[in-house]
Amino acid sequence: DTAVSQTPKYLVTQMGNDKSIKCEQNLGHDTMYWYKQDSKKFLKIMFSYNNKELIINETVPNRFSPKSPDKAHLNLHINSLELGDSAVYFCASSLGTANTGELFFGEGSRLTVL
Amino acid sequence: QKEVEQNSGPLSVPEGAIASLNCTYSDRGSQSFFWYRQYSGKSPELIMSIYSNGDKEDGRFTAQLNKASQYVSLLIRDSQPSDSATYLCAVNPLDSSYKLIFGSGTRLLVRP
Repeated sequence: DTAVSQTPKYLVTQMGNDKSIKCEQNLGHDTMYWYKQDSKKFLKIMFSYNNKELIINETVPNRFSPKSPDKAHLNLHINSLELGDSAVYFCASSLGTANTGELFFGEGSRLTVL
Repeated sequence: QKEVEQNSGPLSVPEGAIASLNCTYSDRGSQSFFWYRQYSGKSPELIMSIYSNGDKEDGRFTAQLNKASQYVSLLIRDSQPSDSATYLCAVNPLDSSYKLIFGSGTRLLVRP
């Protein structure tokens, strides 16, 4: 059983399109995250949710819309895609806060914007 | 965003040697520190956490923390080719319990 699963694993799309990535965790964790990893491997926090509530929005453009229908799911919708959005997007979860627990990462969703 | 800095490498060591990976952070109030390993094309996985000054050992891995110098390191003893990966230093900043700030990672190559 995959602990944190993301779909799709690969997205290739044109500039200006809209795309969504879904994330589900079966670990019973309270906190979920979206991270973006660029081509230089820099892993940057985008959003944190705790029990479906947004805790952190790390100055992400409002073209990015996270949604958490319940604490096991955190989806990411991106409008009007730009070339600079090309990256690997990782979903992660933790039992409690990030400072005391391990982050479990999904396999990543590689987004390529042409 | 508070910074976490690492040398990008690659750090190349022969099999059986000690690999030493270093990380500095800018937020003096940070309390929690982590080392993640990321194989090429895979997701990061936690290998060590450290919260207080000094050394913490787990098998072949030792994490070292010096808060006064704002410095974290990871030592890998008896390095194996399977240790070849990118090692990411992560820090929980003082201003939020709900995020980790990652460095850009050091690529380690263990030569057989």
